[in-house]
Amino acid sequence: QVQLQESGPGLVKPSQTLSLTCSVSGGSISSGSYYWIWIRQPAGKGLEWIGRIYTSGRTNYSPSLKSRVTISLDTSKNQFSLKLSSVTAADTAVYYCARESYAFDIWGQGTMVTVSS
Amino acid sequence: SYELTQPLSVSVALGQTARITCGGTNIGNKNVHWYQQKAGQAPVLVIHTDSKRPSGIPERFSGSNSGNTATLTISRAQAGDEADYYCQVWDTSTEVFGGGTRLTVL
Repeated sequence: QVQLQESGPGLVKPSQTLSLTCSVSGGSISSGSYYWIWIRQPAGKGLEWIGRIYTSGRTNYSPSLKSRVTISLDTSKNQFSLKLSSVTAADTAVYYCARESYAFDIWGQGTMVTVSS
Repeated sequence: SYELTQPLSVSVALGQTARITCGGTNIGNKNVHWYQQKAGQAPVLVIHTDSKRPSGIPERFSGSNSGNTATLTISRAQAGDEADYYCQVWDTSTEVFGGGTRLTVL
């Protein structure tokens, strides 16, 4: 059974780069026809799709975040990562990683990231 | 950009049927997915591709999609169904979520 787990700093300073990793267990990140997803949710608000990466390395990003986002795969570690540059307080949120097959069928538990000096 | 509109809140009496709508232009031409998010937890997929239930989701959950509205129906509502529900579609290289609906079971 595939499971996802986010990890990374819980506190990031304004203007710096937020970096998170999603570790995949119970299956290979490079097998199957899956997209690997990042989604975030500010406190008390709805879900926001950040972007995705296919097993081939092809990416799609949210238009509103595209200039600041990079999603990458590390097949040797069975992980994928999110980098969000030039962060502000508006980037404070719970960040989820997920797997997309026909929909977002498997989610990580989420990790809280606060942007503050 | 494509927009999905959901009611902020829906209330249902215990044991009755709740319907949560998701509006979008010609949404009937898209695959709609629904997620349930209980307080403090990650979302869970409850309906995919308009009306398909993933393994482990009760038959009480069903979905439909036509025209400009997709609907998530929860029959025989239980206290444990209280949660936020989000619809989601893929449009023009972007995943789009609705704003979410808080379901209250009275």
